[in-house]
Amino acid sequence: GQNIDQPTEMTATEGAIVQINCTYQTSGFNGLFWYQQHAGEAPTFLSYNVLDGLEEKGRFSSFLSRSKGYSYLLLKELQMKDSASYLCAVTLGGFQKLVFGTGTRLLVSP
Amino acid sequence: KAGVTQTPRYLIKTRGQQVTLSCSPISGHRSVSWYQQTPGQGLQFLFEYFSETQRNKGNFPGRFSGRQFSNSRSEMNVSTLELGDSALYLCASSLAASGDTQYFGPGTRLTVL
Repeated sequence: GQNIDQPTEMTATEGAIVQINCTYQTSGFNGLFWYQQHAGEAPTFLSYNVLDGLEEKGRFSSFLSRSKGYSYLLLKELQMKDSASYLCAVTLGGFQKLVFGTGTRLLVSP
Repeated sequence: KAGVTQTPRYLIKTRGQQVTLSCSPISGHRSVSWYQQTPGQGLQFLFEYFSETQRNKGNFPGRFSGRQFSNSRSEMNVSTLELGDSALYLCASSLAASGDTQYFGPGTRLTVL
């Protein structure tokens, strides 16, 4: 079966840096997505990693290690609006099917 | 470019009824996927359509079905509704190939009483 783990909840302070980890055990791994979802809204795309290494996009960076089945999302210079759930999802084989972790709820406080 | 649209946004039904949800993908996107989101189970894949054909299916009972039209618009149908079907149903569209980014619509909030 497929297993994707993320911490349930994290808290951080405005202006700080936070790292959200995601570990996965899947067969036929293709790539890994990170999405952000504010309460009551649709998930929005943040990043996609296929190869090992770090992808940087403004305040957000995402890292992937295929051999370790591990990824993280790094958020810098946290803002109040970053309070949301962060979803890690993998794609398998040649299919357009996202398998999601349970998501990490991030609370940013002043 | 307009995003993914879903109708209706909210629905209230009673047990035993059936419901049809609609999704219009981003222009040019040919793949449409459906997901169910609940507090307990998170986001779970229902099925994916491409060129009017179901390419992949998740582990849901046969009461859940879908289809895609020639203009890539998609519908999903749930028959004989159960209380546990109460959820946010999200549709996502992408260009076509595996690994293409999926863009989500706002979802349809279904409540079954």
